[in-house]
Amino acid sequence: DAKTTQPPSMDCAEGRAANLPCNHSTISGNEYVYWYRQIHSQGPQYIIHGLKNNETNEMASLIITEDRKSSTLILPHATLRDTAVYYCIVRVDYGQNFVFGPGTRLSVLP
Amino acid sequence: DTEVTQTPKHLVMGMTNKKSLKCEQHMGHRAMYWYKQKAKKPPELMFVYSYEKLSINESVPSRFSPECPNSSLLNLHLHALQPEDSALYLCASSQGGRGLNEKLFFGSGTQLSVL
Repeated sequence: DAKTTQPPSMDCAEGRAANLPCNHSTISGNEYVYWYRQIHSQGPQYIIHGLKNNETNEMASLIITEDRKSSTLILPHATLRDTAVYYCIVRVDYGQNFVFGPGTRLSVLP
Repeated sequence: DTEVTQTPKHLVMGMTNKKSLKCEQHMGHRAMYWYKQKAKKPPELMFVYSYEKLSINESVPSRFSPECPNSSLLNLHLHALQPEDSALYLCASSQGGRGLNEKLFFGSGTQLSVL
């Protein structure tokens, strides 16, 4: 399974876009990229996932580079409630081993 | 109902005790997972059950014993734990179809302290 790397922490001003990067340079063609977040002492919450196309839902957008070696999670208008640890995960197609990356602690500042 | 329910929320046990963690979901999911999370670290996969059969065991010590009585329930039996086993234990479920739209749904976890 591919390994991921993420910056340990980031700050973002409330109301601005938060751009969280993830490097997965050893990703294989059949591995998906997932993003989850975890607010203190709660279980991780699903945000978004994709294979090679950019994806958008009501929570966020996922931009995957053409070579698929990195991706960016975008929270378009960050709020204080978006303060959390954000995990980038790769998962093999037809696999059940969701391998969490180290995570980025995002602090949204007023 | 999109909830995964874990009980108890907190557990303190001695090294000679036997205890069990419980997890339940009613989403019709056929895959269930146990993860262990130490403070300020990402969750680490322990076990996966798929269609009530153990499909992944990430070389977990035998003092942790999983059980899947049916597709809605998942237990983790604990015996002779060590203080370093203190952690947040997370249960998750997924549809079990293994395809593109497979997603994990997590419970809130059991915070375990071993004295």
